[in-house]
Order: sequence, then structure tokens, then C-alpha cells
Amino acid sequence: AQSVTQLDSHVSVSEGTPVLLRCNYSSSYSPSLFWYVQHPNKGLQLLLKYTSAATLVKGINGFEAEFKKSETSFHLTKPSAHMSDAAEYFCVVSPFGNEKLTFGTGTRLTIIP
Amino acid sequence: GAGVSQSPRYKVTKRGQDVALRCDPISGHVSLYWYRQALGQGPEFLTYFNYEAQQDKSGLPNDRFSAERPEGSISTLTIQRTEQRDSAMYRCASSLALGSGRTYNEQFFGPGTRLTVL
Repeated sequence: AQSVTQLDSHVSVSEGTPVLLRCNYSSSYSPSLFWYVQHPNKGLQLLLKYTSAATLVKGINGFEAEFKKSETSFHLTKPSAHMSDAAEYFCVVSPFGNEKLTFGTGTRLTIIP
Repeated sequence: GAGVSQSPRYKVTKRGQDVALRCDPISGHVSLYWYRQALGQGPEFLTYFNYEAQQDKSGLPNDRFSAERPEGSISTLTIQRTEQRDSAMYRCASSLALGSGRTYNEQFFGPGTRLTVL
């Protein structure tokens, strides 16, 4: 069985300050992990993926995430928030990186001007 | 290029009616997935296809739900005798290669169909 837990349902940060969205996973396998972003009235978009290569993964729009097996975590970070980052973010796990994805409940990120 | 499209974008129906939701994947994508997203939750897997073959339907909640992809392209998710608890966003995704094995293939999501059952 596999699951992800997103520790914060809402995060608010000021524009220009760092972003941290937390995710812990549980998986019987060596998992593939993803972050997806959902802007209002848009489809889900892949931000970045971890598939057992480098543990520090860089994605689009300046986001990155670090896979920490000892902590079973895959937190998403960005050094400096931009207004366009306001969206809902989902941490996702999959046993092999495709087939059925298991999503977390999401974290809504608000950027304060 | 064109992404995954879904129609209708919004559907309001009365309890007991049947609904059909359509997904048009990215051209050439062989795998197609259906997810359901309740308000305030993440998407939950329903079923997926490789070409026209339904590979896994373990996420379909009951026998009122069915899906088909007869020609390996467009897919239809059908809900019979809708109930209020079926109200949700229904999302479709497609990927370029087969949905199995250890190779990662990004799933590209459509905008979803918002279903409201009165």
C-alpha cells in the first residue's frame, strides 16, 4: 500500500520569501514521487518528479524537492515566492512512476503581496 | 499543441439520470486514465486503459460506473442512475507510453468535468 500525507492544508507566504510545502510518504516499494500544481480552472501540471535518480530534484518555475528516505519526506521548496505561484499543490506517489497515481489532499498556497 | 480535452466542462443532472463524460487524449497517447476529485480532496484513481484495453478498474466505486475506449483514442466514463454522492470533478489524463512497468511516463491532465447531481 502507498500513501502521501500533506502536512499543511493552507500555506501563506509573502512575495519574495521562501516557500516550503511538506509531504511525507508511505510506500512498500521504492517509490516514484511527484509534485503537481493546479491553477484555478486549469488541469493538473507536473512540477517535478523523483524516480530513484538524484535525490535533489529540480522542477519548473524554480521549484525543487529533496527525497529523504530516512525521513520518508519529499518536501517542495522555492527560494522566493512569486504571485503566480498561488495555486493548489499535490504531492503524489506511484510504485513505478505510472499507472495509478495516489494523490495527497493538497496544499493551497497563498502569496501575500 | 492540443492538450487533453474533456466535455462537457460542467454537467448538472438530477438524481437517477445517466451521464456520459468524454475525454479526448493527446494525439498519439496510448494510455488513458480517469480520476475523481471530491471537493477539498486530491484526485482518486478510477480506471485506466492501454489502447482500447481496460487494464485496471479497481478504483471504480460500484457497478453504476463504467468506462470504455473502443478505438483506443476517445474515452467515455458513464455513470448510471446518478446519486448526489457522485458529485465531483472527474479528471482524465493521458500518457505517451504504456501504463505498466518501471518506466516513468508523465500523465497529462485535462481540465476536468464538474458533475453536480441534484
